[in-house]
Amino acid sequence: GAVVSQHPSRVICKSGTSVKIECRSLDFQATTMFWYRQFPKQSLMLMATSNEGSKATYEQGVEKDKFLINHASLTLSTLTVTSAHPEDSSFYICSAPGQGPWGTEAFFGQGTRLTVV
Amino acid sequence: AQSVTQLGSHVSVSEGALVLLRCNYSSSVPPYLFWYVQYPNQGLQLLLKYTTGATLVKGINGFEAEFKKSETSFHLTKPSAHMSDAAEYFCAVSERQAGTALIFGKGTTLSVSS
Repeated sequence: GAVVSQHPSRVICKSGTSVKIECRSLDFQATTMFWYRQFPKQSLMLMATSNEGSKATYEQGVEKDKFLINHASLTLSTLTVTSAHPEDSSFYICSAPGQGPWGTEAFFGQGTRLTVV
Repeated sequence: AQSVTQLGSHVSVSEGALVLLRCNYSSSVPPYLFWYVQYPNQGLQLLLKYTTGATLVKGINGFEAEFKKSETSFHLTKPSAHMSDAAEYFCAVSERQAGTALIFGKGTTLSVSS
């Protein structure tokens, strides 16, 4: 298998501040990573696809200026929630597609619980 | 566009009873199919997947699922529920191409009573 590490696991921030969430592939390279958002008692919704060395691709309805994605290396993608507001409070999860024998799988980070107060 | 429907947002069973969680997909070409389990405030754990080959797939923790193309279904079953099976279960699909994003169903909460 493969390991995807996501940090922090929990963060509480004040309204108007920015929060950065990191997603690392620990033992494999990921040219693509996916960012999902999950509201309480709801499913995971794909927010954006992070591409190493190029701009992220955002799903319809996701504000790219609010959710900044940077995929600076083959093992790290970051999601920055800018000027966070209480409605941004959610569970954010990243995933990376597997390589080789695990090419049909997606490996997920542990998730980040963001609470904006 | 692909979509996934999980019938029943909440399923309750007694310990030792059969677990059946339903999943239907909508796609002109059968996609890759997955079942994930999520415990509170945690990430997702892969239970099993179907990509090709045998249509009855066995996964971890005694779960299995059967791909039925004629019914566009991939229902998850476990013969005997355990208290530790109580969690949120998600069915997901992806295109038959490595490296594509998963599309998730709305999830089914499984409750197990003693």
